[in-house]
Amino acid sequence: DAKTTQPTSMDCAEGRAANLPCNHSTISGNEYVYWYRQIHSQGPQYIIHGLKNNETNEMASLIITEDRKSSTLILPHATLRDTAVYYCIVRSQSRNQFYFGTGTSLTVIP
Amino acid sequence: DAGITQSPRYKITETGRQVTLMCHQTWSHSYMFWYRQDLGHGLRLIYYSAAADITDKGEVPDGYVVSRSKTENFPLTLESATRSQTSVYFCASSEGGSNQPQHFGDGTRLSIL
Repeated sequence: DAKTTQPTSMDCAEGRAANLPCNHSTISGNEYVYWYRQIHSQGPQYIIHGLKNNETNEMASLIITEDRKSSTLILPHATLRDTAVYYCIVRSQSRNQFYFGTGTSLTVIP
Repeated sequence: DAGITQSPRYKITETGRQVTLMCHQTWSHSYMFWYRQDLGHGLRLIYYSAAADITDKGEVPDGYVVSRSKTENFPLTLESATRSQTSVYFCASSEGGSNQPQHFGDGTRLSIL
């Protein structure tokens, strides 16, 4: 699986958009980009995933660059409840395991 | 919709004891997984199962045993617990196909004294 690089921590003002970047420069053509988050003492929560195209659901949007070497998770209107560690994961179609790195600790500030 | 539930949420036991962590899912997902989460290591896969009666090792299987007699249940057993197995354990499930997300339970915090 391709390695991902994320900033260690970020702050975002409540009500503003939170843009969380992820670099995955060694991604292969059959590898999906997944985003999860983990709120303290809870299990990882699935947010969104994509292969090539940008994706949007009720929680967030995923923007993948055309060369697929990086992506951005967008939380359009951050709330205090979005404070969590966010993990960007690249997963190949042949692998069952998700490799969680250290993620980005997002703090939403009132 | 109960989803995926783990029990117990917290467990304290002694070295050498056998302990079983339970995982139950109501989605009829074919795949189920056990991870452990430790500071400095992130989440690591212990075992996974593609269907009832089919299990396979993950990254850190030593000291653990799993079974899957029913699709909805995937218990994890530590046959002789050691202090190094003190951790938070997460169960997950997913539909078939590697482009499907895994959905996690809330974890079991296990302390071995």
